[in-house]
Amino acid sequence: SQQGEEDPQALSIQEGENATMNCSYKTSINNLQWYRQNSGRGLVHLILIRSNEREKHSGRLRVTLDTSKKSSSLLITASRAADTASYFCATDAYDSGYSTLTFGKGTMLLVSP
Amino acid sequence: EAQVTQNPRYLITVTGKKLTVTCSQNMNHEYMSWYRQDPGLGLRQIYYSMNVEVTDKGDVPEGYKVSRKEKRNFPLILESPSPNQTSLYFCASSLDYRTNEQFFGPGTRLTVL
Repeated sequence: SQQGEEDPQALSIQEGENATMNCSYKTSINNLQWYRQNSGRGLVHLILIRSNEREKHSGRLRVTLDTSKKSSSLLITASRAADTASYFCATDAYDSGYSTLTFGKGTMLLVSP
Repeated sequence: EAQVTQNPRYLITVTGKKLTVTCSQNMNHEYMSWYRQDPGLGLRQIYYSMNVEVTDKGDVPEGYKVSRKEKRNFPLILESPSPNQTSLYFCASSLDYRTNEQFFGPGTRLTVL
């Protein structure tokens, strides 16, 4: 099955800086989602971008999608220590009449005060 | 409060002793899914269910069983647990397979000795 791959694997920044994470995938998708996970806890849905959309905003989050390059990026602006978490992209592909959601391995973001 | 609950949250058991991890959601969601999360491997789907009495294998179903007798519950059964099933398990639900924005439970950390 296809899988999103996040880059970088780990990112360390200072509070107030922007954080950019990238996701690449292999085949056509219906939509791409970003999730956040605080250490050892359940994932929380952040944002969904459909295959016919190029950019989407939600608060301090900005997601872009380039279907020609099969890639997406998540930008967190003016980061805070509370943004420290792992971020996962998940690709939703329509296959054989149903939808499957496949997660990447994640980017660990550390925001230092 | 809309939520997905899992029990137990932590479990240490021995090889071969059957166990069940329960999952329940109160959002009237049709789609439910089980994942396991392992270091370096990300989240991998074990089983999913598109509705009551409809279940199907995910990417790593070996050694697991599920059932969906009621819409709100989706238990994960390990008939004969082995040490390679030591992992962090997450249950998730979404409105339906088309929506696929998933709500995650808090996780169950399982250790098989």
